[in-house]
Amino acid sequence: QVQLVQSGAEVKKPGASVKVSCKASGYTFTTYGISWVRQAPGQGLEWMGWISAYNGNTNYAQKFQGRVTMTTDTSTSTTYMELRSLRSDDTAVYYCARVRVAASPGDYWGQGILVTVSS
Amino acid sequence: QSVLTQPPSVSGAPGQRVTISCTGSSSNIGAGYDVHWYQQLPGTAPNLLIYGNNNRPSGVPDRFSGSKSGTSASLAITGLQAEDEADYYCQSYDSSLSGFVVFGGGTKLTVL
Repeated sequence: QVQLVQSGAEVKKPGASVKVSCKASGYTFTTYGISWVRQAPGQGLEWMGWISAYNGNTNYAQKFQGRVTMTTDTSTSTTYMELRSLRSDDTAVYYCARVRVAASPGDYWGQGILVTVSS
Repeated sequence: QSVLTQPPSVSGAPGQRVTISCTGSSSNIGAGYDVHWYQQLPGTAPNLLIYGNNNRPSGVPDRFSGSKSGTSASLAITGLQAEDEADYYCQSYDSSLSGFVVFGGGTKLTVL
């Protein structure tokens, strides 16, 4: 069965970077992409960007341009999302979701990673 | 401020029908881009409920249905059940500078 398993919770100081992972299984990794979506405490969903597992092409939301990098490792079917220059308002649960292309719906989601940014 | 506008909350009694609206603009829903809907139970990841405006993934009860017209879309839930109490989000694509994928602000459904 399709599964997306994300890495564990992180606590970071303002100005630091965080790199989280999303390991896929149960399907042919390179036939889908991965979107990253975050949710601040008590808030709604916010799309961060998308990466193709086929060729590594990316689309980032304008808000995160220059601060986010998404990569994939096809040998381990793992996608990574790095967010730099962290601020307190980056505190959120970060989800990965399997999608065909950026505009596609996420049909399988990871369990989410709580990233806390605090001094 | 979300690009797609949803009511913050809706409510209904068990067995009733409720609808949740998702209002966009000419750069997203009105441009013909598909709308997808998610259900998010407390403390869990979103779950795909409706894709491509009105299609249900396998396993989603037919009590849930979606529609789209003009610059808006709607999610309808009939035969409301206590387990339907959750947050619901719409998603679409936006061709403006706001960038690609956009979500509604979410609607909290309370089953009375």
